Amino acid sequence: DIQLTQSPSFLSASVGDRVTITCRASQGISSYLAWYQQKPGKVPKLLIYVASTLQSGVPSRFSGSGSGTEFTLTISSLQPEDFATYYCQQLNSYPVTFGGGTKVEIK
Amino acid sequence: EVQLVESGGGLVQPGGSLRLSCAVSGFTFSDHHMDWVRQAPGKGLECVARSKNRGSSYTAEYAASVEGRFTISRDDSKNSLYLQMNSLKTEDTAVYYCARDSMKYSFDYWGQGALVTVSS
Repeated sequence: DIQLTQSPSFLSASVGDRVTITCRASQGISSYLAWYQQKPGKVPKLLIYVASTLQSGVPSRFSGSGSGTEFTLTISSLQPEDFATYYCQQLNSYPVTFGGGTKVEIK
Repeated sequence: EVQLVESGGGLVQPGGSLRLSCAVSGFTFSDHHMDWVRQAPGKGLECVARSKNRGSSYTAEYAASVEGRFTISRDDSKNSLYLQMNSLKTEDTAVYYCARDSMKYSFDYWGQGALVTVSS
């Protein structure tokens, strides 16, 4: 199975900060990576797919980059509604796997 | 409007069985791979089963953690996805989501989740 390692696992930041989350794959996955946001008690929400394509309706402050084994999710200016847990997901091969998550909290 | 609605969750004893259902609407069900994803309390996300689309002959795939115990199936005439869970273990306790594969390498729609609790 392909392992995804997210870093950091926890992040404390202020409104307006630029935030970057990294996701590393245990083997190459081309660009078959997606990013999700999940708030407590809520369903995961798709933010980005194929590494850098913004899902319809997602604010442009979210962006993704990378290919192969290293990927990043960037929030250019953190907003109050962005405090949540973020997961990366690889769909290069089954089983589809997720990273362990990055919890973004208010400083 | 795309909708996915799970049902069938509940409390079951270890070794027991449970069947989850996911009723979908708003899209052509047979065109999409469909997945069951679970989330144990306070933990991350785990894909446990996939039913590929009609074009892929409805092939089923499973995570190693549930292989041989869980069976995914679908009924395109009823626009429904199912997960038959047998020989349940306490570690299967989780919220189970059905999710639609966008067919663009992502899961774009999710159900609200069904809680499965395995406990004596």
